[in-house]
Amino acid sequence: NAGVTQTPKFRILKIGQSMTLQCTQDMNHNYMYWYRQDPGMGLKLIYYSVGAGITDKGEVPNGYNVSRSTTEDFPLRLELAAPSQTSVYFCASSYSPGLAGGTYEQYFGPGTRLTVT
Amino acid sequence: TQLLEQSPQFLSIQEGENLTVYCNSSSVFSSLQWYRQEPGEGPVLLVTVVTGGEVKKLKRLTFQFGDARKDSSLHITAAQPGDTGLYLCAGAIRTGGGNKLTFGTGTQLKVEL
Repeated sequence: NAGVTQTPKFRILKIGQSMTLQCTQDMNHNYMYWYRQDPGMGLKLIYYSVGAGITDKGEVPNGYNVSRSTTEDFPLRLELAAPSQTSVYFCASSYSPGLAGGTYEQYFGPGTRLTVT
Repeated sequence: TQLLEQSPQFLSIQEGENLTVYCNSSSVFSSLQWYRQEPGEGPVLLVTVVTGGEVKKLKRLTFQFGDARKDSSLHITAAQPGDTGLYLCAGAIRTGGGNKLTFGTGTQLKVEL
């Protein structure tokens, strides 16, 4: 069971270049998330999805785009890379919270370390 | 935006010592999770606390959720080098978008022999 996989592991981009960060999960989770982690800043939510075809903005969506065509995949697109996007990006997935409430564990991928110069 | 403050930011202690990490907010959360992250890896869930005043134990780790569900603490007894890592608290808000988490800034713990 692979869990959440992310590619690439490392990437260096020049300012203005574009790239897609890939994320795949094999746990049949409905919910998927993209976070960025800057040094000393914790994790901030970029975008999330509650199922195939449904996405919504998180706390820091500017400069990013997402799509969710399948349950398994949730790619993150950077269109015009900027130095401020230098960060470590984590994809996560979880089951849907039950009708009675509660919070289900989020399973994280190993991350993609991106540097924009 | 809910803000979760963690303290201390860094902690370096000797094996066998006890320590407490605090996670504080002015917001009320439906639940609070604690994660541990090792270098080069994603966070891994340690525990979820849901009820105000709840205490959960995981071997030498004790987690407590504040009565008002705005704060939490993590206490480690007799720390070991294997406890070294980044500890993150995350407050959950239930919305139509699922369990959206607000993460704290993290506590970097180093336990030395």
